[in-house]
Amino acid sequence: KAGVTQTPRYLIKTRGQQVTLSCSPISGHRSVSWYQQTPGQGLQFLFEYFSETQRNKGNFPGRFSGRQFSNSRSEMNVSTLELGDSALYLCASSLFVGGTGELFFGEGSRLTVL
Amino acid sequence: DQQVKQNSPSLSVQEGRISILNCDYTNSMFDYFLWYKKYPAEGPTFLISISSIKDKNEDGRFTVFLNKSAKHLSLHIVPSQPGDSAVYFCAASDGTQGGSEKLVFGKGTKLTVNP
Repeated sequence: KAGVTQTPRYLIKTRGQQVTLSCSPISGHRSVSWYQQTPGQGLQFLFEYFSETQRNKGNFPGRFSGRQFSNSRSEMNVSTLELGDSALYLCASSLFVGGTGELFFGEGSRLTVL
Repeated sequence: DQQVKQNSPSLSVQEGRISILNCDYTNSMFDYFLWYKKYPAEGPTFLISISSIKDKNEDGRFTVFLNKSAKHLSLHIVPSQPGDSAVYFCAASDGTQGGSEKLVFGKGTKLTVNP
């Protein structure tokens, strides 16, 4: 079956702009979570959605937001971009929620902020 | 504060030998631990996991050991193969804070297996 699909794969923005990233989970998976990967901080949890509701949120400013649609697809948005937002943004889906199952990650969207 | 630490940024081993990757954690509420492998330009892929009620879990060439009293876990790969060369992330979850969707990751160890 198809894996987690993230679009776009690469994008370049300038400071102050906003960006929207998209994630399509594996078919049947209803939980979608987002992570930011940077060289300095590693992988950090952003937020998680299940049935169109945000279940958990990491320690990121309000400029980072997300949503999930009825078909489980998810988007995340970053407004007023800063240089430090340059990172690989990873989306992951899982079959169960709140459990101990594995996460299936997409290949990520690499954002460069100039 | 880093709750999950991988103190070795890199590790180099010879093909056929054992690779041992280490991970330490500080949060005693973590009840599930996972290892992910990441190749360049790909997302992390799940490798193996262990519940806090166990001290060992084995899957083929991969074994994870958990020492709760020391808050330490390790991943053993025997025998190591060149295809194992990747970045390995240790991750932990607290079932009371969101389960496996809200993972706390270490910064990774880059493993290089030399032919």
